[in-house]
Amino acid sequence: SQQGEEDPQALSIQEGENATMNCSYKTSINNLQWYRQNSGRGLVHLILIRSNEREKHSGRLRVTLDTSKKSSSLLITASRAADTASYFCAPSRGGGSNYKLTFGKGTLLTVNP
Amino acid sequence: GAGVSQSPSNKVTEKGKDVELRCDPISGHTALYWYRQSLGQGLEFLIYFQGNSAPDKSGLPSDRFSAERTGGSVSTLTIQRTQQEDSAVYLCASGSGQSGNTIYFGEGSWLTVV
Repeated sequence: SQQGEEDPQALSIQEGENATMNCSYKTSINNLQWYRQNSGRGLVHLILIRSNEREKHSGRLRVTLDTSKKSSSLLITASRAADTASYFCAPSRGGGSNYKLTFGKGTLLTVNP
Repeated sequence: GAGVSQSPSNKVTEKGKDVELRCDPISGHTALYWYRQSLGQGLEFLIYFQGNSAPDKSGLPSDRFSAERTGGSVSTLTIQRTQQEDSAVYLCASGSGQSGNTIYFGEGSWLTVV
């Protein structure tokens, strides 16, 4: 399975602090995406990192990828209460048109004001 | 609209009844997914449609669950003889079907079986 597993399952921090979430996977990948979910609603895409990239930034988000360790991390800097949500990673093998995205249990981030 | 549309947004049904959930994907998207999420749990993959290929049904939990996609667009997920453990939010997503492309989720259909 190419499903990612997020760690920790839950993370609680104070506003202004940084939050780091990790993702591990088992197969070789072509790319890895991070998604966010607010209160059981649809997931929203945050950022994609390709297998030949080691780090990528988008606003307050920083994603790293270590293909040798089959792991990725998502860092949210200067967190805000509005960042409270569940975060999921989705590794993908690619391989043409027949790929599917599967998700783990996610990391529930709570940012306390 | 431009996004993935799901209906109904909420459904309460009696145990043993059949339900149909509908997903209208983004126009032109060839890939369509159904996921299920029980309260406080992760996303459980159910089924994946990609163009004219045979759907990947490997995630359907039992033969009470089925899905079809007519004309490569709208999809219907059918649950027959519903059970209380079927209570969950059912999420649909669509994408271009190519590696590395984002998938876009609908707001989900909340199903409660009483």
